[in-house]
Amino acid sequence: EVQLVESGGGLVQPGGSLRLSCAASGFSFSSYWMHWVRQTPEKRLVWVSRINSDESSTNYADSVKGRFTISRDNAKNTLYLQMHSLRAEDTAVYFCARRSPDGGFFDYWGQGTLVTVSS
Amino acid sequence: EIVLTQSPGTLSLSPGERATLSCRASQSISSKLAWYQQKPGQAPRLLIYDASNRATGIPDRFSGSGSGTDFILTNSRLEPEDFALYFCQQYANSQWTFGQGTKVEIK
Repeated sequence: EVQLVESGGGLVQPGGSLRLSCAASGFSFSSYWMHWVRQTPEKRLVWVSRINSDESSTNYADSVKGRFTISRDNAKNTLYLQMHSLRAEDTAVYFCARRSPDGGFFDYWGQGTLVTVSS
Repeated sequence: EIVLTQSPGTLSLSPGERATLSCRASQSISSKLAWYQQKPGQAPRLLIYDASNRATGIPDRFSGSGSGTDFILTNSRLEPEDFALYFCQQYANSQWTFGQGTKVEIK
């Protein structure tokens, strides 16, 4: 059974940093592209970042470029999102999601971890 | 950025009724569109991909259609568990975007 379990969320002050993790199991993690998607308090889904299977290629939404870094450890079956210079508008539930091998859509999602940026 | 606009914002229907949800893209995305269902406190669940293909385990009361800029998700007969939030998502380029969602609520 495919499982994605996020962790690392919490309350952080503006300008602070946080690292999210996503532990994967039930599939060959190293073979899949992975994404981070966030859901705002207004329930909007916003794509954040993507990494390919061997970490040679990444993409970022303009809103996080230069502040967030996506990475992965295929030996540990874990995806990461390092977030710096956090802003109030980064407050959201962060989901990791697996890119389907059949296309650019997401066939499995984690349950999410809440990040709150507030003083 | 490709903007996806979903309508209506809220759909109030009774169990057993037909639901029709719309998603319009700001430019052509061919058939690179997916639909997701989300219930409170849960992650989104893939329903439809490539505009019209049902994902594994999705009941056949759900169907998708469209190409280019206009897409439809249809639920032919609402079951109690189908009342939820629905999102469309495009993957035509490397800046994936979602629609703002349609809430299907019990009338």
